[in-house]
Amino acid sequence: KQEVTQIPAALSVPEGENLVLNCSFTDSAIYNLQWFRQDPGKGLTSLLLIQSSQREQTSGRLNASLDKSSGRSTLYIAASQPGDSATYLCAVDQGAQKLVFGQGTRLTINP
Amino acid sequence: DTAVSQTPKYLVTQMGNDKSIKCEQNLGHDTMYWYKQDSKKFLKIMFSYNNKELIINETVPNRFSPKSPDKAHLNLHINSLELGDSAVYFCASSFQGYEQYFGPGTRLTVT
Repeated sequence: KQEVTQIPAALSVPEGENLVLNCSFTDSAIYNLQWFRQDPGKGLTSLLLIQSSQREQTSGRLNASLDKSSGRSTLYIAASQPGDSATYLCAVDQGAQKLVFGQGTRLTINP
Repeated sequence: DTAVSQTPKYLVTQMGNDKSIKCEQNLGHDTMYWYKQDSKKFLKIMFSYNNKELIINETVPNRFSPKSPDKAHLNLHINSLELGDSAVYFCASSFQGYEQYFGPGTRLTVT
């Protein structure tokens, strides 16, 4: 059974810092991995999707990496801003687009 | 120009009642999903439909019945509501296994 773990559960950093969020999964047989952000009381916003054959994806200040063999992904956020404060979720696609989610990292960027 | 919309946004009802949540997507996607986010913010898939055909049916009580009248709509009907059904329910959609796009969620409270 696939299990997805995100560490740390919460992170607070000053504005301007670069930071890394971690995601690990137990079964490396995945189709892709997706990173989302969730703002309080809102739905999920897709940030990046990495196919199983890819090593990384970039969008603006965000860079996500995937090491399928070791069951790990990282989300790197450069030059953090207060607007980046949210909960970040990673999810792996087990096939048939069945996403298994981690419990998220609650990120706070302090001005 | 909402991509994935859900109604209602909030639903408060008593135990034993039957209720429905509606979802619509205007992205031209072929797959739609229902997820449940519990009080601990853990997100878990319930159902998925591809071209109106049920693909994923997780271990969900049969009081929950999804219905897809067409590719753009996926409704969730819940019979005999219980206290434990209180949660936020998210609808999502995707095209051929790519990124999933989520709706804003429906907060269901059973009293």
